[in-house]
Formats: sequence, C-alpha cells, structure tokens
Amino acid sequence: DTAVSQTPKYLVTQMGNDKSIKCEQNLGHDTMYWYKQDSKKFLKIMFSYNNKELIINETVPNRFSPKSPDKAHLNLHINSLELGDSAVYFCASSQDPGADEQYFGPGTRLTVT
Amino acid sequence: AQKVTQAQTEISVVEKEDVTLDCVYETRDTTYYLFWYKQPPSGELVFLIRRNSFDEQNEISGRYSWNFQKSTSSFNFTITASQVVDSAVYFCALSEDFYGGSQGNLIFGKGTKLSVKP
Repeated sequence: DTAVSQTPKYLVTQMGNDKSIKCEQNLGHDTMYWYKQDSKKFLKIMFSYNNKELIINETVPNRFSPKSPDKAHLNLHINSLELGDSAVYFCASSQDPGADEQYFGPGTRLTVT
Repeated sequence: AQKVTQAQTEISVVEKEDVTLDCVYETRDTTYYLFWYKQPPSGELVFLIRRNSFDEQNEISGRYSWNFQKSTSSFNFTITASQVVDSAVYFCALSEDFYGGSQGNLIFGKGTKLSVKP
C-alpha cells in the first residue's frame, strides 16, 4: 500500500483556471504538509496541518488554499492559476512536526500554459 | 534564522569511487533535527536518515555513512563504492523543535546532484 499518495501526477492547465491536487496518507500521522519544488529543484514549505489545524502559512499567494477534510487528507486548491505556479508540488506527512521524518508523496507536476 | 547550505551543486564520479556530500546548517535552537533525502531521476523524495541534535554518533548503513559534527555545524554524507543507481539529487534538511516554538517544517538545502558514471 502506498503510504502517501497524490492525484493527479501530472496536471496541465491554462492560466486563469482553478485546480485541485489531492493528497492522502495511510500512515496514521498527525501532520501533513505541502511543499513546492521549483524549476531549480529548490524545495520550500507552503502549508502544514497538525490535527486539522493550520500551523504554517508561508508567504504564498492567497490563491492557494489547503483543505483538510480529515486527518488523512490534505488537499491543495489553487485559484486563478498563473504561469509562475508551474512547479512540482509534494505532499508529505509525519507523526510529530519537526522531530520526525517526513514521508513524501510522488509529487504532482503542474504546468500552466 | 535557519539555513542549510549544500555548497556542491554537482558532483560527478566514476563507479566504485567514494564520494562525500557536504551539508552545513545554521540554527539558534539547541534542539533540532537533521535529515538527508534522495531524489532519483524518477522524481520521488526518499528519506535516508534523521539525526537529532543530541546524538552526534556517526551512522553507517551499508555503503552509506553520515558524519555529524556540532562543532562545525556539519552533517556530511558519504557513499562508499558508488554505483550508477546512486545517481540522484541529494538534499540535506533541518527542522527545529515544534514544541519549542518552531513551525516544524523542513528547511532544505539546494541539493547536490550526484552523477555516477559506469
């Protein structure tokens, strides 16, 4: 069984569209995260949820919004997509934030045309 | 402020050579955690190791070994007898103690791309 899964794996869309990326973990972890990896491979935190409460909200545009229907899911909604949003988005989970290793999903490559 | 520096952008070696990937970190916390992740060409991020700031013992796992030195704020990674399958981007990362007030997320270095040629 896949520990952290994301759908879709690839997402190609046009500027101005709204899209969502889904993430699910079956590890029973309490914390989930979204990271963005840019074209230079740099990884940066976007959001995390601990016990369904947002504990990080980095300086990302408010067009991005995380939604967690339950502890095992953390979805990422993006409104009014822009060219600069093209990147690979990784979902991750861990038991304790900070102290424990994070397990990553396979990534979603978003291309905005 | 927290920061992770991987000064080596790219390294190329021939199979069976030993290679060391450098990682230097900055943090004001006394409790923190260090990690290495591997990103092969297929793109997934694979967890390799975690160390906490109170455990400076070096670790060996097969051909992989890690050297943690608080005195130099370094957490270096050595691959012995490298193989083509080791070709990947390797990331060093830092997190601080969430219960000490940190946000708990991983702060990544920019990665080192390792190419192992046959």
